[in-house]
Amino acid sequence: GQNIDQPTEMTATEGAIVQINCTYQTSGFNGLFWYQQHAGEAPTFLSYNVLDGLEEKGRFSSFLSRSKGYSYLLLKELQMKDSASYLCAVSDSNYQLIWGAGTKLIIKP
Amino acid sequence: GAVVSQHPSWVICKSGTSVKIECRSLDFQATTMFWYRQFPKQSLMLMATSNEGSKATYEQGVEKDKFLINHASLTLSTLTVTSAHPEDSSFYICSASEGREAQPQHFGDGTRLSIL
Repeated sequence: GQNIDQPTEMTATEGAIVQINCTYQTSGFNGLFWYQQHAGEAPTFLSYNVLDGLEEKGRFSSFLSRSKGYSYLLLKELQMKDSASYLCAVSDSNYQLIWGAGTKLIIKP
Repeated sequence: GAVVSQHPSWVICKSGTSVKIECRSLDFQATTMFWYRQFPKQSLMLMATSNEGSKATYEQGVEKDKFLINHASLTLSTLTVTSAHPEDSSFYICSASEGREAQPQHFGDGTRLSIL
């Protein structure tokens, strides 16, 4: 079966750095997406990785290792507004998105 | 760019009413649109995928006659919840992507449906 694993909840301090991991087992791979979802709102697109390595976008970076079936989202200089759920999703061989359950990130002052 | 508009944001109605939700891509042509459902503190559940001009593909367990999807143009898809009941109360979210390949899905703001 297809499976995406990510931690249920993480806590970090304002100004710090946090890494949210995602491991996956899917039938085929056409890229991995990270989305941010604030409570009661729809998800917003953060990043897309299809090749191994690190993609940096401002305070957010996303890393992919296809051989390990592993990705992480790195958030630097955390701000209170970064408190949200972070969803990992993999595009499988049919370009269907397989969604993780999301990681709820709590930022403390 | 890549803005998706979903309307209405909130719906409160009586049991037995049919409710129509619209999803529009405002600045791109959406070859494929997706409809999701999300219960509180749970992950997104894909209900169906629709391609412009063809019938929607429903996920297992989703009733086609209950949740009618129409993707009449490259910028508009609608979801109609027919004869809604309290158990249909949920957060419904649409998304759209530009092509078949692994393009990002861009989400509408969601519709919170409450059936009394």
